[in-house]
Amino acid sequence: EADIYQTPRYLVIGTGKKITLECSQTMGHDKMYWYQQDPGMELHLIHYSYGVNSTEKGDLSSESTVSRIRTEHFPLTLESARPSHTSQYLCASSEYLGPEAFFGQGTRLTVV
Amino acid sequence: AQSVTQPDIHITVSEGASLELRCNYSYGATPYLFWYVQSPGQGLQLLLKYFSGDTLVQGIKGFEAEFKRSQSSFNLRKPSVHWSDAAEYFCAVSPGGADGLTFGKGTHLIIQP
Repeated sequence: EADIYQTPRYLVIGTGKKITLECSQTMGHDKMYWYQQDPGMELHLIHYSYGVNSTEKGDLSSESTVSRIRTEHFPLTLESARPSHTSQYLCASSEYLGPEAFFGQGTRLTVV
Repeated sequence: AQSVTQPDIHITVSEGASLELRCNYSYGATPYLFWYVQSPGQGLQLLLKYFSGDTLVQGIKGFEAEFKRSQSSFNLRKPSVHWSDAAEYFCAVSPGGADGLTFGKGTHLIIQP
C-alpha cells in the first residue's frame, strides 16, 4: 500500500547529540517536505525537495539539514540537538505538479 | 505571500449538532485550498480540497466546504458531528505547483456528549 513512513515516532535525546529523523514514501512522489509543529501551533515548512539532489529551505529557518539521494527517502538531520529543537516534525510528499500533500505520522522529538 | 486565518482557536459542539469551522485566506489569485484533520499524536489527514469548479466540495467523513471568492473564505461544515470528530483542524493554501502549503493556526474541536 502506498504510504509515507516516519521513524522514530517518538525520540527523547540529550543535548548535543546528533540525530536523524527518517522519512520514506512509497507514493512515487517527486516532491517531499518537512514541517515543524510546536504544541498547539500551526505547521511551518522548514525544508522541501523537488527530487533527487534537490533541497531547499522553507519559510521557517531551521538548524536542521536534509538530503535527497533517493527519490523515496528524505532524512532530516540535527548535528547537535538542543532543547529549542523540541517539537513535532512532519514529513509529507506530493506529486510534482500537484499541490496536494500526504503526511506521515510525525516524529515527536524531545531534547533534554 | 499567502496567509491563512482560522479565527476560532477552540470550538465546542454537542454531539449530533452541526459544525462550521471558519477559514479565510489572503492571496492574490485563487489558490488551491485544503482542510486537514489531526488527531492527537498523529499526522495530518486530508479531508477535502478545492482546486477549481464547483465551489461546494465534498470530503471524507461527511465533511464539506464551500469556497467563496468574494469573502476569501473556505469554511468547513458537517451537518451532524460525532464524538470521533474531536481533533485539530487545519486549513491550508497553496499557490499551486509550488513550494509547500501555508497553514492556519488550527481550530481545536471539542465534542460534548
